Amino acid sequence: DQQVKQNSPSLSVQEGRISILNCDYTNSMFDYFLWYKKYPAEGPTFLISISSIKDKNEDGRFTVFLNKSAKHLSLHIVPSQPGDSAVYFCAASEGGAGSYQLTFGKGTKLSVIP
Amino acid sequence: DAGVTQSPTHLIKTRGQHVTLRCSPISGHKSVSWYQQVLGQGPQFIFQYYEKEERGRGNFPDRFSARQFPNYSSELNVNALLLGDSALYLCASSLGPQGFEKLFFGSGTQLSVL
Repeated sequence: DQQVKQNSPSLSVQEGRISILNCDYTNSMFDYFLWYKKYPAEGPTFLISISSIKDKNEDGRFTVFLNKSAKHLSLHIVPSQPGDSAVYFCAASEGGAGSYQLTFGKGTKLSVIP
Repeated sequence: DAGVTQSPTHLIKTRGQHVTLRCSPISGHKSVSWYQQVLGQGPQFIFQYYEKEERGRGNFPDRFSARQFPNYSSELNVNALLLGDSALYLCASSLGPQGFEKLFFGSGTQLSVL
């Protein structure tokens, strides 16, 4: 039973346009959400996070939106650049649980076309 | 500054064998976590260690074990290897054991079980 779902395995976007990656979760105990980016042959790298007390967090070209009632979050990348082409993982944590256990989605492969 | 380093990068074993994977965290980081990423899936939490004590364990059989040394490096051991253990094993380090720390991942060890 997947607690974090990324239903789009892949996404293609033109350079300069907006990329929107979506993520749904089922566990109401999740209180912290993160996005990681992964290039081939490298480990995932942290991109942006959001606490459940917020509904938006912005960092440069990257914005994460959280809709707790819908148990849905999305990552917006504006403008998209070819270097953004990677696999993006949505992850969630029960931050106060005493251990740093992240639950990941299956990932969405983003391709930004020049 | 060196990031999280893992060794070996690739490993081939046969069913029934034992394997040891190694991880050196970022300097100053006291928490190490292990994740398994099967092809086409997101990383799945195996263990977290902080100050040489196990702080969390995912849904993995007892064939999987780990430990953390006084210098905060860590080993993941897998006994009686099965074909299904073939995966990318990721180590991640963080400053503390919980909360809103961000994990820094290594590039992983690709284990193939034949």
